[in-house]
Amino acid sequence: GNSVTQMEGPVTLSEEAFLTINCTYTATGYPSLFWYVQYPGEGLQLLLKATKADDKGSNKGFEATYRKETTSFHLEKGSVQVSDSAVYFCALSDIAGGTSYGKLTFGQGTILTVHP
Amino acid sequence: KAGVTQTPRYLIKTRGQQVTLSCSPISGHRSVSWYQQTPGQGLQFLFEYFSETQRNKGNFPGRFSGRQFSNSRSEMNVSTLELGDSALYLCASSLGQGKSPEAFFGQGTRLTVV
Repeated sequence: GNSVTQMEGPVTLSEEAFLTINCTYTATGYPSLFWYVQYPGEGLQLLLKATKADDKGSNKGFEATYRKETTSFHLEKGSVQVSDSAVYFCALSDIAGGTSYGKLTFGQGTILTVHP
Repeated sequence: KAGVTQTPRYLIKTRGQQVTLSCSPISGHRSVSWYQQTPGQGLQFLFEYFSETQRNKGNFPGRFSGRQFSNSRSEMNVSTLELGDSALYLCASSLGQGKSPEAFFGQGTRLTVV
């Protein structure tokens, strides 16, 4: 079945540091890939997406490139802010054949804390 | 454009009771999915409805059920509540067809079972 693996453990950075959160996936078809962000007490917000190999999703300074050869979708930001502190989830949707619509498979989430 | 609306935001129930949660999707979206989020298990898919039909189902017991109405609004029901059902329940709305699979989430309903 499909699965998503994110890097272990919380990430703590100082403001303006470079961020990388690793994400790798296993899928039977050709999935679409997403990063979602969750702030305390909130639902998930779609941060960015990529629907085919070599696509780069970007939003609010965050970027991720769909790498089919390494089955990865790592999230990066060049300079983080305190307001970026949240939980980040990598997810995939495998709609090949039309059988998996509406089902997202999530990674375990990565807690990001940014200090001033 | 209004986002996904979930009601209520918070619920406290007693073991053995049942509960119904509601989700109103983004206008024009025909697919509604439900997820359970807990610290131990993370985000787990419950089921998805499209045009009033359950199209996809996760690995949850039959105590968890749902339905979708003709206006795409969806409800989720949990019967015979257990302490382990305490979680944040999230609803997601999407077009449900075509090549835009992204889903948009509501703020969730926090269910506490005591």
